[in-house]
Amino acid sequence: GESVGLHLPTLSVQEGDNSIINCAYSNSASDYFIWYKQESGKGPQFIIDIRSNMDKRQGQRVTVLLNKTVKHLSLQIAATQPGDSAVYFCAENEGLGSARQLTFGSGTQLTVLP
Amino acid sequence: DAGVIQSPRHEVTEMGQEVTLRCKPISGHNSLFWYRQTMMRGLELLIYFNNNVPIDDSGMPEDRFSAKMPNASFSTLKIQPSEPRDSAVYFCASSKQGSTEAFFGQGTRLTVV
Repeated sequence: GESVGLHLPTLSVQEGDNSIINCAYSNSASDYFIWYKQESGKGPQFIIDIRSNMDKRQGQRVTVLLNKTVKHLSLQIAATQPGDSAVYFCAENEGLGSARQLTFGSGTQLTVLP
Repeated sequence: DAGVIQSPRHEVTEMGQEVTLRCKPISGHNSLFWYRQTMMRGLELLIYFNNNVPIDDSGMPEDRFSAKMPNASFSTLKIQPSEPRDSAVYFCASSKQGSTEAFFGQGTRLTVV
């Protein structure tokens, strides 16, 4: 029979525009939140993380926002480039700052249009 | 550093056969993780090791799956016997003690026919 797979949310943005990828998490005890990028045929790659005692953290071209009240995490990518096309996963971590208890979300497919 | 190295990159095997996936973590990392990725279930943690000792194998689907880490630079994930539903991409990742950043390998795409 036909298998039913996850239908990844998709986001298409024009090159040069800003991208916002959203994620809802479930565990209020999570103390770290991490964004990973996965390009086709490759393993997930760490982008940025944020601790639960922060609400914003900036990296190079990326900003992560955390709203613990509504358990929402977002990743903002400034001036999106073709190389940003990938699946983006948020992950939550409850484990005293260790990578051992990462729980990954289902991912969002970002496509950058020329 | 070459990063986390997994082999093989692709494996096609017949149902019932034994499959062994291999991983070399980044030197100096003392935590190692095996993940499985499928369209149905996304990324799932199967097992993780700390200092070569299995700490949590609650994600291992059933007794057909086993993992070993005989030393700090090598780990295997074995499926015996393999079944078509085991078809997935299997990732190995490693991290330093106390770090939230896990470095992933390129994965092994397993197809069981």
